[in-house]
Amino acid sequence: AQSVAQPEDQVNVAEGNPLTVKCTYSVSGNPYLFWYVQYPNRGLQFLLKYITGDNLVKGSYGFEAEFNKSQTSFHLKKPSALVSDSALYFCAVRGRGSTLGRLYFGRGTQLTVWP
Amino acid sequence: DGGITQSPKYLFRKEGQNVTLSCEQNLNHDAMYWYRQDPGQGLRLIYYSQIVNDFQKGDIAEGYSVSREKKESFPLTVTSAQKNPTAFYLCASSPGTRFAQVDEQYFGPGTRLTVT
Repeated sequence: AQSVAQPEDQVNVAEGNPLTVKCTYSVSGNPYLFWYVQYPNRGLQFLLKYITGDNLVKGSYGFEAEFNKSQTSFHLKKPSALVSDSALYFCAVRGRGSTLGRLYFGRGTQLTVWP
Repeated sequence: DGGITQSPKYLFRKEGQNVTLSCEQNLNHDAMYWYRQDPGQGLRLIYYSQIVNDFQKGDIAEGYSVSREKKESFPLTVTSAQKNPTAFYLCASSPGTRFAQVDEQYFGPGTRLTVT
C-alpha cells in the first residue's frame, strides 16, 4: 500500500528563518514524490517533484526538497521564510510501478510565518 | 489554477437533492481526477479517469457518480446517497500515463458544496 505521512499539522516560523515541512512515505519500490501548496479557498499549486537523480530538488518560490531513501523522507525546505509562504502544504507519492497515475496525498501541514 | 475551470465556486443544496459539479480542462490532458477535501483530512480520491469513456473508483466513491464523454470534461454528481456531502471538491488533470515522463497534476480552483 502507498501512503504519505506529514507528522506535523502545523509549523510556525519567524520571517527570515529557515523552514522545514516534513514528509515520510511508504511505497513499494522507488517513489515519485511531489509537493503542492494551497492558499485559502484555492486549488493546489505544484511546487516541485522528485523523479530520479539528484536527491536535492529545487522548485518554485525558492523551495527545495531533499529525498532520503534510507529514511523514506522528502522534507520541504526554504532557507529564509516569507510571510507570504503561509499556506497549507501537501506531500504526495506515486509508486514507480503504478501505471494508473494516481497520487496519494498526506493530510497537509499548515505553515504560518510570523512577521 | 490555469487551464482547469470548476463551476460554480460555491454551491448550496437541500438534503436529498442530487447536484452536479462541473470540471473542464483545455490542456488536452488524458487523465482527470476528483478529490474531496475536508479539514484535517487532506485530499481523498473520489473517481479518476485515464481516457474518454473510462473511469475508476477511488477511495471514497460511494454516493458519487461521474461520466467522461469528452476528453475535456469530467463532471461529478453528488447523489442523495452521499451521507455527508458538505465539503470542498477539487478537480485535477494530468497529461496521462501513456507518456514516459511522470507528470504532476494540475488543479482547478475548487467548488465548495454546502448541503443543508
